[in-house]
Amino acid sequence: DAGVIQSPRHEVTEMGQEVTLRCKPISGHNSLFWYRQTMMRGLELLIYFNNNVPIDDSGMPEDRFSAKMPNASFSTLKIQPSEPRDSAVYFCASSPGPGQGALEQYFGPGTRLTVT
Amino acid sequence: DAKTTQPPSMDCAEGRAANLPCNHSTISGNEYVYWYRQIHSQGPQYIIHGLKNNETNEMASLIITEDRKSSTLILPHATLRDTAVYYCIVRPAGGGADGLTFGKGTHLIIQP
Repeated sequence: DAGVIQSPRHEVTEMGQEVTLRCKPISGHNSLFWYRQTMMRGLELLIYFNNNVPIDDSGMPEDRFSAKMPNASFSTLKIQPSEPRDSAVYFCASSPGPGQGALEQYFGPGTRLTVT
Repeated sequence: DAKTTQPPSMDCAEGRAANLPCNHSTISGNEYVYWYRQIHSQGPQYIIHGLKNNETNEMASLIITEDRKSSTLILPHATLRDTAVYYCIVRPAGGGADGLTFGKGTHLIIQP
């Protein structure tokens, strides 16, 4: 298995531009998570999905952030418009999901976003 | 989720056992102890988890005290590649579908 796949690995954009981060979870996993990591705030949960349905988006910083999961094998995190304070590493993770016994999450390599 | 307390950093000599402590004095009866680590520039990696019995897998051992208020992650023969930030996380048994709450963790540095 290729693990969780994220693209792009690096993104540099100018303030005000739209940014779309992509994630392909591990096949068969039913839960998907988006995290953000900065030096100041550490690793933070932004949103998670179970069976493609958003369950908790309370970690999404503001309305500029949105996430979708149109099917079991793909999710996007969009920032529009982007701001310099959005610069961070964004991680996607997946897990077998509720009722599946295994509770560990598998993380992707992350997308390093720089907004200038 | 119960809060955890970990030392900010630790050193260990290569080839020796690395023992990473974690305090979770407010843990509830149905909460598991999880350990993850994050090697520089990589995503976090699951290591091990347990409820009350000691656990061992190919990566590490987890020792949980009888009162469950603290635990120790043991890397039996540390290598340079074990240098990473190690996170101790406590979460309910039914929380498999919930997000993880990461603290600051312990930065373990393996010395050659």
